[in-house]
Amino acid sequence: DAEITQSPRHKITETGRQVTLACHQTWNHNNMFWYRQDLGHGLRLIHYSYGVQDTNKGEVSDGYSVSRSNTEDLPLTLESAASSQTSVYFCASSESMGREDTGELFFGEGSRLTVL
Amino acid sequence: RKEVEQDPGPFNVPEGATVAFNCTYSNSASQSFFWYRQDCRKEPKLLMSVYSSGNEDGRFTAQLNRASQYISLLIRDSKLSDSATYLCVVLDSNYQLIWGAGTKLIIKP
Repeated sequence: DAEITQSPRHKITETGRQVTLACHQTWNHNNMFWYRQDLGHGLRLIHYSYGVQDTNKGEVSDGYSVSRSNTEDLPLTLESAASSQTSVYFCASSESMGREDTGELFFGEGSRLTVL
Repeated sequence: RKEVEQDPGPFNVPEGATVAFNCTYSNSASQSFFWYRQDCRKEPKLLMSVYSSGNEDGRFTAQLNRASQYISLLIRDSKLSDSATYLCVVLDSNYQLIWGAGTKLIIKP
């Protein structure tokens, strides 16, 4: 069965360290997304990609970067982790996001990051 | 004002009851609307899309009111397994999904 997996599921790091969260999907979806989820907020879009070599900034992209070298993977890098980046991070993928689309995103199980 | 607003709850509802909650959105040019369900410490999953004419899926009914800019979700004959957080999601005119913070529902036996 196709799936989307994130790793690590839990990570504790220190302020200033570089951290990379991996996301791998076998749906063969063109669209991939990274969100963060914090209490009291809806999911907030960090970065997204509509295909290989395509990356775009979302609503809360400062301090994060992504790269898309193949269809399956969209790693998220925190260049210099800050305590404000303590959050749950979700990766998602979808086929398309047009008028005819169901709007369905398929999410990974999440990565819980704590920055001390 | 948030683009998508939901009552955070929690809604505490006895098993078998009917419960409804709304979600308001600020952008009148929003194109599509969805309800997602998120169990505690799990990922969100699509529950249902919301069509202009309203739609039903078993015990769940979703409705859209464009004039007043809100969508609603009605759950009939609620089950213990319906306990979750329900996320309202709006596809804006730039094809970006805007997420509400969610409404927590607790079904009590």
